[in-house]
Amino acid sequence: LAKTTQPISMDSYEGQEVNITCSHNNIATNDYITWYQQFPSQGPRFIIQGYKTKVTNEVASLFIPADRKSSTLSLPRVSLSDTAVYYCLVGDMNTGFQKLVFGTGTRLLVSP
Amino acid sequence: DADVTQTPRNRITKTGKRIMLECSQTKGHDRMYWYRQDPGLGLRLIYYSFDVKDINKGEISDGYSVSRQAQAKFSLSLESAIPNQTALYFCATSDPGQGENTEAFFGQGTRLTVV
Repeated sequence: LAKTTQPISMDSYEGQEVNITCSHNNIATNDYITWYQQFPSQGPRFIIQGYKTKVTNEVASLFIPADRKSSTLSLPRVSLSDTAVYYCLVGDMNTGFQKLVFGTGTRLLVSP
Repeated sequence: DADVTQTPRNRITKTGKRIMLECSQTKGHDRMYWYRQDPGLGLRLIYYSFDVKDINKGEISDGYSVSRQAQAKFSLSLESAIPNQTALYFCATSDPGQGENTEAFFGQGTRLTVV
């Protein structure tokens, strides 16, 4: 299983761009990188997923360098409602989520 | 209506009681999962099922059992609840995996307190 390391917490202000980096040095060839967001007392919610280079959707961007040993989730112009815990997961999507490890995540606090 | 529905949302039970947490989904997914989350920690996998005939233990299955009654229903039971099973429990579903944008869908959670 690819182990991931991400900061325990981050602080930001409304309107700023937030970048959360995840380290996954032993990522395997078939592994994808997925980010989830979790609000207090709610289930995690899918944000974005990628394999290499850059992926962008209406919520975030995911930057993956060529060696794929790390990835960066970028949240443009955060608002108070982006305060949540963000999880980086690495795994082979074809084998199922049972092998995905939800670590402690990064707790993002957005202030006015 | 939610894609993944958990019942009950909150439950307080006494030590030694048997309790069942239920999960139903309308996603049509074959794969279902039960996780628990303790305060300030990530999710840990209890059991997972790839279809109605396939049940597998996760990393923390001791003290729990599951039943896959149908494709859409996956129940978690605590045969004899103990206080350290007090936690937030999540059910999730996923499809077989098509590479990019394969995601898990989570229920709203069941907050269980064992006193």
